[in-house]
Amino acid sequence: DAGVIQSPRHEVTEMGQEVTLRCKPISGHDYLFWYRQTMMRGLELLIYFNNNVPIDDSGMPEDRFSAKMPNASFSTLKIQPSEPRDSAVYFCASRSRTGGTEAFFGQGTRLTVV
Amino acid sequence: AQKITQTQPGMFVQEKEAVTLDCTYDTSDPSYGLFWYKQPSSGEMIFLIYQGSYDQQNATEGRYSLNFQKARKSANLVISASQLGDSAMYFCAMRETLSGGYQKVTFGTGTKLQVIP
Repeated sequence: DAGVIQSPRHEVTEMGQEVTLRCKPISGHDYLFWYRQTMMRGLELLIYFNNNVPIDDSGMPEDRFSAKMPNASFSTLKIQPSEPRDSAVYFCASRSRTGGTEAFFGQGTRLTVV
Repeated sequence: AQKITQTQPGMFVQEKEAVTLDCTYDTSDPSYGLFWYKQPSSGEMIFLIYQGSYDQQNATEGRYSLNFQKARKSANLVISASQLGDSAMYFCAMRETLSGGYQKVTFGTGTKLQVIP
């Protein structure tokens, strides 16, 4: 398996534009997590899915953020409209429920909103 | 309230010395798991070590060991014989099972470790 795949790796957009981040989890993993990393807050959990169903979105900062998982192999995180304070690295991670299996991370998307 | 607390924003250690990175956690789940990840300057998240709440022995993986003190709710990472390549951000994370049986993984704010030659 190629691991968790995120795209794009880097995104620069203007304030007010819509941004869509994409994630392909590891096949067979039943959990998918979206995290946001900033210097001030570290790794914040935004939302996570189990078997494609959103379980907890309490970490989503505002209504401008939304996430979907239409099938087991694809998820998106959308920001509309984007603001400069959304600039961060966004990570997607997946894991299997079994035992102590760790979460496997994608390479992250570095988002810059100017 | 923070579920995972890492109180050391930054640490320095001399090459070849041991260093302990602190992590405390809070959960009411009796069956939880604790993880440590390393994030070098290149940005990827690298899994280092895992400790289950029922594990009797402290976890070890090569030069990494986890000093698990359940009563104190602490899970400190010990790196022995530090190397220059250990310079990175280190994150403590916890997996807990919530109502409904769903498993959530949350992270601390991280500790930046710098190894000095």
